[in-house]
Amino acid sequence: ETGVTQSPTHLIKTRGQQVTLRCSSQSGHNTVSWYQQALGQGPQFIFQYYREEENGRGNFPPRFSGLQFPNYSSELNVNALELDDSALYLCASSQTQLSNNEQFFGPGTRLTVL
Amino acid sequence: GQSLEQPSEVTAVEGAIVQINCTYQTSGFYGLSWYQQHDGGAPTFLSYNALDGLEETGRFSSFLSRSDSYGYLLLQELQMKDSASYFCAVRDSTGANNLFFGTGTRLTVIP
Repeated sequence: ETGVTQSPTHLIKTRGQQVTLRCSSQSGHNTVSWYQQALGQGPQFIFQYYREEENGRGNFPPRFSGLQFPNYSSELNVNALELDDSALYLCASSQTQLSNNEQFFGPGTRLTVL
Repeated sequence: GQSLEQPSEVTAVEGAIVQINCTYQTSGFYGLSWYQQHDGGAPTFLSYNALDGLEETGRFSSFLSRSDSYGYLLLQELQMKDSASYFCAVRDSTGANNLFFGTGTRLTVIP
């Protein structure tokens, strides 16, 4: 069974640029959630995708957008990057959109915005 | 809104027992979860309590009291590898089906 994978592991961008982060969910999981984790903080929910549709969104501006594909992999896109977007971006998969008491996290993408 | 409070840091000796507390405020409650995260690593699921009482999984136990909006994670026979951050989390009450995490407790195990 393959776990949750994310790419790239690290990324450096400059302010104003755009970035796309990728996530492959664990085999058999149809729900993917994205979180932003600033240094020393807990993960903060960005949005969730269930069967290719957005299934909830946290308090993030519209320049954070996402996609889920038929194979349940997912992308997080961030436009007009700001310095405060520097963080670890985690994706987590689960078997259904209701079983989020146990989510399986990927290793994350460390984004640095200069 | 929602809020979760945990101590920011705890230090304990190898072989000892440590308890990490979590108090929560949420308009709808769907259970309390605990996650472990080592430096540079991904959060990993430890336990989940939907009902009052103690859940035991090996050296780790988790307790919930819904009337007190309180839970704790108990780690026994501490090992050096238990040094990590521990997060309590509740399911979002707005129906977005996400997890709302506390700010985490950094546990340092010393010899």
